[in-house]
Formats: sequence, C-alpha cells, structure tokens
Amino acid sequence: DARVTQTPRHKVTEMGQEVTMRCQPILGHNTVFWYRQTMMQGLELLAYFRNRAPLDDSGMPKDRFSAEMPDATLATLKIQPSEPRDSAVYFCASGLGQQPYYGYTFGSGTRLTVV
Amino acid sequence: EDQVTQSPEALRLQEGESSSLNCSYTVSGLRGLFWYRQDPGKGPEFLFTLYSAGEEKEKERLKATLTKKESFLHITAPKPEDSATYLCAVPKPSGYSTLTFGKGTMLLVSP
Repeated sequence: DARVTQTPRHKVTEMGQEVTMRCQPILGHNTVFWYRQTMMQGLELLAYFRNRAPLDDSGMPKDRFSAEMPDATLATLKIQPSEPRDSAVYFCASGLGQQPYYGYTFGSGTRLTVV
Repeated sequence: EDQVTQSPEALRLQEGESSSLNCSYTVSGLRGLFWYRQDPGKGPEFLFTLYSAGEEKEKERLKATLTKKESFLHITAPKPEDSATYLCAVPKPSGYSTLTFGKGTMLLVSP
C-alpha cells in the first residue's frame, strides 16, 4: 500500500532549538498538508501546498514556523526557535486534486516534545 | 466561523452493543462531510464522504448518514477492533481542499 512517510517519529528537544520534520507524500499526489494535533485543540491545519506551491499557511505562527516543498517527494516543516507550547503531534497528509472527496492519506505523525 | 462538534467525547460499549456517534456542523453551503478513523499512534484514516442530506454510506459494521445539520456514524454489533477515535470534518470556506475537523469521539469496545 502507498503511504505517507514522516520522519522522525519522535523528537524531544530543548526550548530554543530548531526542529525539522520531514514528509514524503505518496507519489503522484499533488496536494500536501501539515496538521498539528493536541488534546485541547484537536487537528489544526498549519499549511498546505498544491503542485509544490504554498496555498495557505495562515494556521502557522509566521515568526517561528516555516513550511517548504523543495521537490515533489519532500515536504518540510521547521520550527525555530521551538517553545514548550509547540509540543504536539504533527501530521503530514497528501491527496489528489482540488476535492477531498476521495480522502486524504495521513502519515503516522511526528510526536514533538519541547522541554 | 464554521464549527464541527462531535458527541459524545468518549463512548464505551460491550461487544455487540450497537450505538451511534454524532457530528453536528454549522456551515453555509455544505460541500461534503468526511469521516475518518484514528488508531492510537497513527494518523487519521479516511472512511467516508457524504455529499448531501439523505445520503448513506456503509463499510462493514459502520454506516454514516447525513442530514442538513448533522451526521451520524452508526456502529452495528461492534467488535473490539472497532475501538478507535472517530473524526468528522467539513471543507473550509476557503476551498474544497482544506478541512475543519471535530475533536473526535473515542470509542472503546470491550470483549
């Protein structure tokens, strides 16, 4: 089965350090999302790309978060500097086209702990 | 602002005890409602899309229905392997691609 691959699966870092999360979307999928999940807020959209172009990053704290797609096989989410409130599970998802009707495929997530 | 509210937050069932999960939404011009299943330590897994009031979709012991204000996920004779968190979502007004998720219902089915 095709899958979305995220690395690392777990990350513990100290406050102020840079964190980089990586995602390999399913080959052929042209839409990539970054979501963050916490107990309090649930799943929140951070950013998304279509054909590698950023379309919406309004969910991201701009001063510390950045998302890029250097190529069609790699999406990255960076946090610099990290803060304890960034502790969460970060999911990448990919899909086709402009309609989510066929569902998006999520990766298994990166669990980030900032101490 | 569009909102998606799921209830109950948690549900505990005995194996074989049927029940329903609720997802209510406040959106103008619904363009679809989506159900996902999430197992611990994993990402959400797509289950169904419902497009219009009156529509129903089924998959094994799950049946999703949609009205103009809410959706139900009916679980018939559940098994322990149905234990998971069930999430519903609707497209954001900004476009079809991005989804607003509810916080989910955590279902535990005991043998």
